[in-house]
Amino acid sequence: QVQLQESGPGLVKPSETLSLTCTVSGSSISSFYWSWIRQSPGRGLEWLGYVEHHGRTEQIPSLSSRVTISVDLSTSQFSLKLRSVTASDTAVYYCARGVYGAYFDSWGQGTLVTVSS
Amino acid sequence: QSALTQPPSASGSPGQSVTISCTGSNSDVGGYNYVSWYQQHPDKAPKLIIYDVDKRPSGVPDRFSGSKSGNTASLTVSGLQDDDEADYYCSSFAGFNNFAVFGTGTKVTVL
Repeated sequence: QVQLQESGPGLVKPSETLSLTCTVSGSSISSFYWSWIRQSPGRGLEWLGYVEHHGRTEQIPSLSSRVTISVDLSTSQFSLKLRSVTASDTAVYYCARGVYGAYFDSWGQGTLVTVSS
Repeated sequence: QSALTQPPSASGSPGQSVTISCTGSNSDVGGYNYVSWYQQHPDKAPKLIIYDVDKRPSGVPDRFSGSKSGNTASLTVSGLQDDDEADYYCSSFAGFNNFAVFGTGTKVTVL
């Protein structure tokens, strides 16, 4: 059974960097698109980016200058860094396993990140 | 990339059917047979219920069905049950540099 678990601070100050980690169990890291997706009341669900097992990444164009996604095969984890956050980055952040065809068949439970001073 | 357009709400009585539309463009829904649908109950993560337009993951009842015509995809929930009351989101592949675009979401109410 595939399980994903997000971890990281729930409160980030404006202009700082949001950092989250997703720990994967029950699945090989290979052959999938390990993704970050966020959900806010004003924006609904928004795919942010993915990383493949060999490190190739893609990010949503509107955030590509602020987003870095990386993978650590030794710990079966992948991570999100979102720089220069503002209040509009406040959302529930999910990690998810993406499959070719851009569907997400396993999700973490989500973690609320609030941007506030 | 704009979000796919869904109606904000839909409703039906137990046992009835409800159909939700998801309208995109030639760059996403109309360009690929890679539409997926997700069910989300309050304070829960989305759950995949349809992928590749009309395929169901193991364990998803056949009361859920998907289809596509041109730039519009549809999800039909037949034989509505109380537990079907949830938010539903569509998603489509939109190219590898904009992997997935989601719909605006539809709240389904079972009357």
